[in-house]
Amino acid sequence: DAKTTQPPSMDCAEGRAANLPCNHSTISGNEYVYWYRQIHSQGPQYIIHGLKNNETNEMASLIITEDRKSSTLILPHATLRDTAVYYCIVRVSSSNTGKLIFGQGTTLQVKP
Amino acid sequence: DTAVSQTPKYLVTQMGNDKSIKCEQNLGHDTMYWYKQDSKKFLKIMFSYNNKELIINETVPNRFSPKSPDKAHLNLHINSLELGDSAVYFCASRGGSTDTQYFGPGTRLTVL
Repeated sequence: DAKTTQPPSMDCAEGRAANLPCNHSTISGNEYVYWYRQIHSQGPQYIIHGLKNNETNEMASLIITEDRKSSTLILPHATLRDTAVYYCIVRVSSSNTGKLIFGQGTTLQVKP
Repeated sequence: DTAVSQTPKYLVTQMGNDKSIKCEQNLGHDTMYWYKQDSKKFLKIMFSYNNKELIINETVPNRFSPKSPDKAHLNLHINSLELGDSAVYFCASRGGSTDTQYFGPGTRLTVL
């Protein structure tokens, strides 16, 4: 079972920031928070990950609360191409298997 | 160049047939995976190989047999296909500085 909970769907206006929340209240000290997204009919795509510090890359920002029980993925200027299912996943980065356990994710609809 | 490729992209077949799906990665990663995404869009891991050795088998029926001839390839052979095997199958490889997974484009299997 997935160890995260996300809202099933969200809408965002094009050009605005999209803030996608994720709860992971049972996260362990050595588990990272990973975000992937799946654009319709394509394979999942890595976005960003973090342990406890906030992270930013060319795609998004990741804000992790101090107690690490929740996080928010921020797409600063959403475009129509960002419409996708976004998955928040926790796992141990250095684990031997590295398997990803996907939940239902959040379907983000970016509207013009 | 495509990092993770799968063939075929679409596969339509009759119940009871045997079929194979091929996966290749040119990223130099040691670990590869097979995931299944069913009609409800739930994405679940099936197998993982590390350097040609099986490290994950998630209670998949014996009709499914992965084979890794070398660490760049992980093929999936399915015997006696059933209606419930209809799904999209994704291959992935893991590695890189982010220790993340890179997914292929998927193979849509339809069993009639």
